[in-house]
Amino acid sequence: EAGVAQSPRYKIIEKRQSVAFWCNPISGHATLYWYQQILGQGPKLLIQFQNNGVVDDSQLPKDRFSAERLKGVDSTLKIQPAKLEDSAVYLCASRSQGATWRPHTDTQYFGPGTRLTVL
Amino acid sequence: KQEVTQIPAALSVPEGENLVLNCSFTDSAIYNLQWFRQDPGKGLTSLLLIQSSQREQTSGRLNASLDKSSGRSTLYIAASQPGDSATYLCAVTSTGANNLFFGTGTRLTVIP
Repeated sequence: EAGVAQSPRYKIIEKRQSVAFWCNPISGHATLYWYQQILGQGPKLLIQFQNNGVVDDSQLPKDRFSAERLKGVDSTLKIQPAKLEDSAVYLCASRSQGATWRPHTDTQYFGPGTRLTVL
Repeated sequence: KQEVTQIPAALSVPEGENLVLNCSFTDSAIYNLQWFRQDPGKGLTSLLLIQSSQREQTSGRLNASLDKSSGRSTLYIAASQPGDSATYLCAVTSTGANNLFFGTGTRLTVIP
């Protein structure tokens, strides 16, 4: 099966500009996650969707970040305006979580990420 | 709040050596613990998943252990190879949440 797709792979912008990232999860996966990974750190959850509804966005800086998952399939993450500290890799992941979630065994599948550099 | 720590931050070993990576977590109420591998420019690949009721999992040259009561896990890599060079991340799924809490990773370099 095809993996999680993300685009673009790399993006360089100046501070105060806007940027958008796109993610297409594995077909049929109901749960979609966006993570931010700053250099030298582990990924940190930004937002989690279940189908097209938000489950957890407590770590999303809502004054500048927004995300949507229309139709419960692909998703976009937007930053407007960008700051220097937003330089990071943005990872998208998906998980099946069908009718029954199996928390002990279900795993997430990650895309290759988008590396954002803010100058 | 769950916090995950990995030691060491970086490790360099000669080819063929056995090695151990360490992970600790503060809240023992977890569903599972996973070890991921991250290569430059690529996403994360799940290596091993240990359920909270399990003590260890093995896959090829990899063996991961879990001591939930003490909040510790180790990843043992036998007979290391240059192709094992990557960053290894430990992550837990806390009870009541269905997202991952990651450690900061260990960057492994295996020298030919």
